[in-house]
Amino acid sequence: AQSVTQLGSHVSVSEGALVLLRCNYSSSVPPYLFWYVQYPNQGLQLLLKYTTGATLVKGINGFEAEFKKSETSFHLTKPSAHMSDAAEYFCGGTSYGKLTFGQGTILTVHP
Amino acid sequence: DAGVIQSPRHEVTEMGQEVTLRCKPISGHNSLFWYRQTMMRGLELLIYFNNNVPIDDSGMPEDRFSAKMPNASFSTLKIQPSEPRDSAVYFCASSLLDRGDGYTFGSGTRLTVV
Repeated sequence: AQSVTQLGSHVSVSEGALVLLRCNYSSSVPPYLFWYVQYPNQGLQLLLKYTTGATLVKGINGFEAEFKKSETSFHLTKPSAHMSDAAEYFCGGTSYGKLTFGQGTILTVHP
Repeated sequence: DAGVIQSPRHEVTEMGQEVTLRCKPISGHNSLFWYRQTMMRGLELLIYFNNNVPIDDSGMPEDRFSAKMPNASFSTLKIQPSEPRDSAVYFCASSLLDRGDGYTFGSGTRLTVV
């Protein structure tokens, strides 16, 4: 069965600083991995996904993530944070079609 | 495409009443998922359907919860009787299974049981 763990329930950065949100997965089969963003009072929006092929995946809003099988990780990064990036971010993984999520990381961006 | 459509957006009901949440998936998607989001438990998968058939309902909290998908364009999640601890945001999502396209989420229904 697939499980996903997000390290750090809250991350705070300054505007313009690097954003790094951590996600590790455990799976007995190669997973599909996703990052979603949720703004207040809204649903989840897909940021990016890894299925097969290139391990560095680029998504919307300047975010990217790298699939590292040796580390079972799929960390989300953005070189320069913007105030509009403040939201909650969820890492998810699928196993036999069933998408499960980590506990979420709230990103705060300070001026 | 209008995306995944959920109704109502907000529901306030009294304890003991029946509550029905509705979802219209994206046309052409063959899988539909119901999630519940709370501060304490995060995002929980309640049940999912593939080709209108329930595949995994292990996340359904108890017998008070039931879900149906009578056709490819409509699903309901029913709670009877409702309790205050059912207060949460309920999301519906749809996907084309095994394509790895990701799930498209609706805007959610915020349920408050008083």
